[in-house]
Parts: sequence; C-alpha cells; structure tokens
Amino acid sequence: AQRVTQPEKLLSVFKGAPVELKCNYSYSGSPELFWYVQYSRQRLQLLLRHISRESIKGFTADLNKGETSFHLKKPFAQEEDSAMYYCALLNTGGFKTIFGAGTRLFVKA
Amino acid sequence: NAGVTQTPKFRVLKTGQSMTLLCAQDMNHEYMYWYRQDPGMGLRLIHYSVGEGTTAKGEVPDGYNVSRLKKQNFLLGLESAAPSQTSVYFCASSRQGGNQPQHFGDGTRLSIL
Repeated sequence: AQRVTQPEKLLSVFKGAPVELKCNYSYSGSPELFWYVQYSRQRLQLLLRHISRESIKGFTADLNKGETSFHLKKPFAQEEDSAMYYCALLNTGGFKTIFGAGTRLFVKA
Repeated sequence: NAGVTQTPKFRVLKTGQSMTLLCAQDMNHEYMYWYRQDPGMGLRLIHYSVGEGTTAKGEVPDGYNVSRLKKQNFLLGLESAAPSQTSVYFCASSRQGGNQPQHFGDGTRLSIL
C-alpha cells in the first residue's frame, strides 16, 4: 500500500536550534517525493522536491531508499519557519499525490 | 496570473442542502484535484481529473461528485450535505508527467449545520 507517515503532529524548537521533520513512505515503485509548506493565512505551496537536490530557505531533504525516509532538515530554525509541513509522494504516472498528515512546526523566540 | 482560484471562500450549509465548489486554473494544467483537509488527517484526495472530460475517484469520494467540462475548471458538488463534510476543501492543479508539483488554491471553508 502507498502511504506517507509523518510521526510528529507538532514539533516545537527554539530559534537557532536544528530542526528535523520526519517523513517515512511506503511505495513499491521508484518514489518522487516532495515537501509542501503552509504558512499562516497562505496557500499550500511547494517547498522542495527530492529530484532537484536543492536547498530552499535553508531546508534540505535527502531521500534514503534503504530506510524509506525523506526527512526535512534545517541547521538553524527561524521564527518565520513556523508553519504546517506536509510530506508527499507522487505515484508512478505522475497523476496522484499522497500526502502525510502533516507536522506543525513552531519556532520559539 | 491568478494560478488556482477557488470560489466561494466560505460557506455555511444546512444538512441536506446542495452546493457546488468551483475551481479555476489559468496555467493550462492537465491534472486537477480536489482534497479535503481535516485536523490530524492531512490532505485526503476526493476526486481528480487527468484531462478535460475525465474524472476519477480518490481516497474519499463518497458524497461528492465532480465534473471537468472545460480544461480550466473543475467543479466539486455536494448533492446532500452532511455534517461529516464540514472541512476545508482545496483544489490543486499540475502539469502532466512525472515530478510535477501541485499548485493549490486558497481553500474553501465549508460548515454543515
């Protein structure tokens, strides 16, 4: 079964501390993985995708096929990073995305 | 360039009433989607469309119908609203093919009394 699991509903860290949002997936094919972010009063938007191997707003995510994980990391959290983060998997064929339940990140001053 | 536009933004219905949510995109995307977002459950796919005139069921399709008569529009209908359909509804669109991210609308907050 295709599934995306985000084990933490809420993650609270202090400003300047490292942050890691966990994402594990279950998929039989070759996954295409994304992180989406929803800031307060804004629409859900793409943060980054694994194939691009990019760093966006200081965030990176590495696909680990052995552990079936795609954790989102940032070395120094900022208050403006406070948001809802969703890990998502795009199926083979590219027409169906499966979202995790989301993790709310709260960065304290 | 508006991207994905959803109307209305808010609506309150009584149980048994019907209504249609409209989603319009101006990016010439092939794929369009309707999700509902509930606390602790993330985004769940209701229906989706891979092209004009085609629709398919997602994870939670019961109680909803959709139509894609025009490429740019994707309508979500509730024939007989129930309190369990109280949720925030998001429309999204994407290009055809792999590794294409979804572009979301602002959402519609729907309350069924």
